[in-house]
Amino acid sequence: DTAVSQTPKYLVTQMGNDKSIKCEQNLGHDTMYWYKQDSKKFLKIMFSYNNKELIINETVPNRFSPKSPDKAHLNLHINSLELGDSAVYFCASNQIAGGPETQYFGPGTRLLVL
Amino acid sequence: KQEVTQIPAALSVPEGENLVLNCSFTDSAIYNLQWFRQDPGKGLTSLLLIQSSQREQTSGRLNASLDKSSGRSTLYIAASQPGDSATYLCAVRPRGSTLGRLYFGRGTQLTVWP
Repeated sequence: DTAVSQTPKYLVTQMGNDKSIKCEQNLGHDTMYWYKQDSKKFLKIMFSYNNKELIINETVPNRFSPKSPDKAHLNLHINSLELGDSAVYFCASNQIAGGPETQYFGPGTRLLVL
Repeated sequence: KQEVTQIPAALSVPEGENLVLNCSFTDSAIYNLQWFRQDPGKGLTSLLLIQSSQREQTSGRLNASLDKSSGRSTLYIAASQPGDSATYLCAVRPRGSTLGRLYFGRGTQLTVWP
């Protein structure tokens, strides 16, 4: 059973399009995250939700909008895609309240904007 | 702001060698430190998590140490194997930071050849 899953795994799209990436975790965790890994492999947090509440909102363009319909899901919608948005986007989850805080990562979504 | 540095950026060793990967962080006020492994085209897998009150953690052939006062952590891999080839990432959670926020280093790319 996959602990943290993301769809799609690959996403190739034209500049200016709107796209969404979905994430689901079946670990019962209370916190979920979105990270961006750039071409130099540097991993940086974008957003975090704890019990469906936004708790981390890094300085990212407002074209990026996360949505958490429930504790097990955190989706990322991107409007008006730009070339610089090309990267690998990782979803992660962990248990903050009473947990060891180990973060579990999804397999990543490789986004290429043409 | 916390900065995490990993040295070396890349390491290539023959099978069987014992090796040490280094991680340093600028602010010693941390809550915990985690070591992750990332295989090419895959997500991150947590290897070890060290709480600020601990000095080391062990899992199989892996041993991670933490010296908060000097802002350093090392990941020791004993009797390396070709299957250990991957990128190893260090991440710290600063004390007082927003829940679950991690700062990542850029990783050490390890190649173990037969």
